[in-house]
Amino acid sequence: DTGVSQNPRHKITKRGQNVTFRCDPISEHNRLYWYRQTLGQGPEFLTYFQNEAQLEKSRLLSDRFSAERPKGSFSTLEIQRTEQGDSAMYLCASSLETGGLVEQYFGPGTRLTVT
Amino acid sequence: AQSVTQPDIHITVSEGASLELRCNYSYGATPYLFWYVQSPGQGLQLLLKYFSGDTLVQGIKGFEAEFKRSQSSFNLRKPSVHWSDAAEYFCAVKNTGFQKLVFGTGTRLLVSP
Repeated sequence: DTGVSQNPRHKITKRGQNVTFRCDPISEHNRLYWYRQTLGQGPEFLTYFQNEAQLEKSRLLSDRFSAERPKGSFSTLEIQRTEQGDSAMYLCASSLETGGLVEQYFGPGTRLTVT
Repeated sequence: AQSVTQPDIHITVSEGASLELRCNYSYGATPYLFWYVQSPGQGLQLLLKYFSGDTLVQGIKGFEAEFKRSQSSFNLRKPSVHWSDAAEYFCAVKNTGFQKLVFGTGTRLLVSP
């Protein structure tokens, strides 16, 4: 168990460019979550998957954002036509649904800077 | 809607002194409650969680938290702080039936020698 990994760790892009982040959850975890954390704030929920199905999306997830988890393993988060307001830390978490109170395990995050 | 308030943005504690970080939540029923710690360059690490049962819960690294329904609070405590405890601490709540965590704005802990 190597934990949740995220790539890249840092991304600098120019406004208007598209970016894609990857999250590899803990193996066999069936749930995967994306959060966004801006400076001085706590993480805010964006979306989550159970296996390959995207089951919940926040209103924060505008049309420029899309997330996928094609085979129920790793996930990608794409932001199209980036804006300066997209600058944030993007956190991924995973959990194993067991019917009880499950813990979400977080990755180190991808820090996005839009110039 | 759920919300979490952490009224202290920064707290400075001397090494060896006791610590209490405040957390208040707004939610109709008994929520799932969590405390996470975030160190620079690290992901969020779960310190402890509460759903039901004993209102005093023990966590990792010597932390504990007490759920007080009457005050809608879930304060984090540690009897003796170590320099390595310097980090940002987040309280979070989860609604029954939903999967997302709702976080507070965090409290940054500074430990002075």
